[in-house]
Amino acid sequence: DAGVIQSPRHEVTEMGQEVTLRCKPISGHDYLFWYRQTMMRGLELLIYFNNNVPIDDSGMPEDRFSAKMPNASFSTLKIQPSEPRDSAVYFCASSRSGRGYQETQYFGPGTRLLVL
Amino acid sequence: DAKTTQPPSMDCAEGRAANLPCNHSTISGNEYVYWYRQIHSQGPQYIIHGLKNNETNEMASLIITEDRKSSTLILPHATLRDTAVYYCIAYFQDTGRRALTFGSGTRLQVQP
Repeated sequence: DAGVIQSPRHEVTEMGQEVTLRCKPISGHDYLFWYRQTMMRGLELLIYFNNNVPIDDSGMPEDRFSAKMPNASFSTLKIQPSEPRDSAVYFCASSRSGRGYQETQYFGPGTRLLVL
Repeated sequence: DAKTTQPPSMDCAEGRAANLPCNHSTISGNEYVYWYRQIHSQGPQYIIHGLKNNETNEMASLIITEDRKSSTLILPHATLRDTAVYYCIAYFQDTGRRALTFGSGTRLQVQP
């Protein structure tokens, strides 16, 4: 399996622009997670989906952030408008729907976002 | 989720065992201890997890004290590629809520 795929790997944009991050989970995984990592706040969960339905979005910082999962193999995290404080590494992860070991989350390589 | 406490950094000589401690004194009876690591510029990687028994897999061993208030991750023969930040996470399994709470972790530097 190719693992969790994220694109783009790097994104540089100007303040006020719209940014869209993409994620393809591991085939057969029913859970998808978006995390953000910064030096100040570490790794924090933004939102997660189960069977394409958002379950917990309490970590989404504000209305400028939105996430969708139109099908089992694709998710997007959108920031509109972007601000310099959104600069971070954004990780996508996925896991199976079972219990126990199947709850292990597998992370993608991340998207490094820089907002100027 | 219970709070975990880890030393901010550790060094280990290549080829020697690396023992990474984690304190989780407020862990509840049905919270598992999970370990992930993050090698520079990569996404976190699952290592191992356990509830009360010691666990071993191809990557590491996990030793959990009898009172479950602390645990130790053991990398038996550390290599330079094991240099990473290691996260100890207390996690409620089988609850339907899937949220990993990452702390600051331990930065392990394996020295040649």
